[in-house]
Amino acid sequence: KAGVTQTPRYLIKTRGQQVTLSCSPISGHRSVSWYQQTPGQGLQFLFEYFSETQRNKGNFPGRFSGRQFSNSRSEMNVSTLELGDSALYLCASSLQTGGYNEQFFGPGTRLTVL
Amino acid sequence: AQSVTQLDSHVSVSEGTPVLLRCNYSSSYSPSLFWYVQHPNKGLQLLLKYTSAATLVKGINGFEAEFKKSETSFHLTKPSAHMSDAAEYFCVVSDVGGNNNDMRFGAGTRLTVKP
Repeated sequence: KAGVTQTPRYLIKTRGQQVTLSCSPISGHRSVSWYQQTPGQGLQFLFEYFSETQRNKGNFPGRFSGRQFSNSRSEMNVSTLELGDSALYLCASSLQTGGYNEQFFGPGTRLTVL
Repeated sequence: AQSVTQLDSHVSVSEGTPVLLRCNYSSSYSPSLFWYVQHPNKGLQLLLKYTSAATLVKGINGFEAEFKKSETSFHLTKPSAHMSDAAEYFCVVSDVGGNNNDMRFGAGTRLTVKP
C-alpha cells in the first residue's frame, strides 16, 4: 500500500500570499489530520477531517483552513501568509477518527515565508 | 484537557547501552498513549501505542514502554542502542473518551547514539 503523500514537498512564498498544501491519505483511510511543526512550538494540531467534515480544530487563526474531498484527499490553505507560518506541515491519516487510532504520517511540506 | 511532558530534551547514549526516554502525561479521561520517532527530513513513524490493554507495550525495533497510571508515566526503553536509533522521539497523548480527539505531542527528545 502506498503511504501518505504530500505535495509539494517544499514551498517558498512571500508575506501576504496564500498557499494550498495537498495530502493524499493511505487508501481506505477516512481521517486526515494536519499538524504544524516548528523548532519553537514543536508539533501542534491544526485540524482533523473525517468523511469530508471537520471534526476537530486546534488553536490557530482563521487564516488556516482546510477541506476534504469525497476520495478522502485533503487540502490545507493558509491565507495572508506571515513570517511565523514558516514550518513543516505534516499530514496524517488513519482508518477512523478517534484518539486511539494509529496515525500514519506523510513526509511533510516545508513552507518558507520570506 | 490532556497534556504531555517529555522530561529530557536531549539524551545521549553509547551504542550498545540502554536507552530511557521519559514521558509524563495528564489526561481527564482514559488516555491513549503513543511513541513516535522522526528521522531527519522524514515524517513520524509509530513505535508503539497503549490503548488500555497490557501495561507493558512492545513496539518495533526493540523498543518498549510501560504505562504506569499511579505515576502518570509512559517511559520508552530499549535494552541496547543502535546507531540507527539516533532521531527525535515524541510522546503523544490522546483522550479517547473526550469530545476532542486531537492528539497532544510532547516537545520531543533528541536521542544521540555515540559509537
